[in-house]
Amino acid sequence: QSVLTQPASASGTPGQRVTISCSGISSKIGSGYVYWYQQFPGTAPKLLIYRNDQQPSGVPDRFSGSKSGTSASLAISGLRSEDEADYYCAAWDDSLSGPVFGGGTKVTVL
Amino acid sequence: EVQLVESGGGLVKPGGSLRLSCAASGFTFSNAWMSWVRQAPGKGLEWVGHIKTKDEDETIDYAAPVKGRVSISRDDSKNTVYLQMNSLKTEDTAVYFCTTFGDYYLFRVWGQGTTVTVSS
Repeated sequence: QSVLTQPASASGTPGQRVTISCSGISSKIGSGYVYWYQQFPGTAPKLLIYRNDQQPSGVPDRFSGSKSGTSASLAISGLRSEDEADYYCAAWDDSLSGPVFGGGTKVTVL
Repeated sequence: EVQLVESGGGLVKPGGSLRLSCAASGFTFSNAWMSWVRQAPGKGLEWVGHIKTKDEDETIDYAAPVKGRVSISRDDSKNTVYLQMNSLKTEDTAVYFCTTFGDYYLFRVWGQGTTVTVSS
């Protein structure tokens, strides 16, 4: 059971906007930053969003992150078939002295 | 090009040991915090532990499920970080990823992963 809670799946048609939520105990998400990773089957995860809403260079503007209180969200605008992947949120956990991940959300493009 | 390449995975019996290596290139390794993250088959990502730099006394933290059974170390002269795993259990079966680690990007650069299978 993951410490951060994400929906197991999300889907949309090409061009739609899809949002993935990430919720957790306030001591984790409430006070710290949230990060998002994209992973295709059989490959390593890739950093998509850091510090709640910042994009590393090379990440399309279609991906955006936000955080409000004890929840965070990843939004994919203008959904494309190549966005089919697993998406994970992560945050630092002071009580563990380490980071924790959400269980992951599988995004399907219909 | 920034690159991390893991090696050392394989099949090991329960109770056995294995040492994973991660060779880094393309950045100043001695200045980088390094971490190991694993992913069991069909499951999500799980932080295993991390090691800070020599300037920070190579401070190490481990996740609870592996604490006491694994050890992370680094050799800055070889640009390599290691994960020594002992008393392996079937639930340690996973792909193990090496990553750069820090409080700005969290996990920024990832290796391709190496597979550890614990089975009799």
